[in-house]
Amino acid sequence: AQSVAQPEDQVNVAEGNPLTVKCTYSVSGNPYLFWYVQYPNRGLQFLLKYITGDNLVKGSYGFEAEFNKSQTSFHLKKPSALVSDSALYFCAVRDRRGYQKVTFGTGTKLQVIP
Amino acid sequence: ETGVTQSPTHLIKTRGQQVTLRCSSQSGHNTVSWYQQALGQGPQFIFQYYREEENGRGNFPPRFSGLQFPNYSSELNVNALELDDSALYLCASSWDRVHEQYFGPGTRLTVT
Repeated sequence: AQSVAQPEDQVNVAEGNPLTVKCTYSVSGNPYLFWYVQYPNRGLQFLLKYITGDNLVKGSYGFEAEFNKSQTSFHLKKPSALVSDSALYFCAVRDRRGYQKVTFGTGTKLQVIP
Repeated sequence: ETGVTQSPTHLIKTRGQQVTLRCSSQSGHNTVSWYQQALGQGPQFIFQYYREEENGRGNFPPRFSGLQFPNYSSELNVNALELDDSALYLCASSWDRVHEQYFGPGTRLTVT
């Protein structure tokens, strides 16, 4: 069975400071990994993905994530946080061998303080 | 390019009733997945349709069923509604079964 853990329910960071939102995963085979963001009363928006290749993945709005196979982690990062980044962030995993099921974490609320 | 749309936006039903939710996939996408998102939780995978066939299913009972049409739009049907079915139902489409998904705004279902 595959799973995703987002250990922090909420992350607070001052505007302009770097931010990190943590994610660890568990799958039987090799993973596809994704980050999505959800604004209030909205659907999820795709931020970035790791499929293969470079462990550092760059995505939308200046976000990036680093795939670490040995630590089974895929932490989301941004060098300088904006107030507009405040939202709910979800990490998701799909096993390469099973096309269908995407498993999401429980989400981390990011609060950027002006 | 039109994004993923869902209807209706909100719905209130009574326990025991049946409901149909609709989703139009993004142009060019042949795969649709449905998710249930309870308050304060991450989306839970219900099932996926690929080229009009169910392609995988999560841990949901058979009273959750679906369809995908030749234009790749999709329906989610839930029979014998229970109070715990109250949630945001999200539809997501993608180019194929592997790549990132693009989500609709969701349908908020309340069962009383």
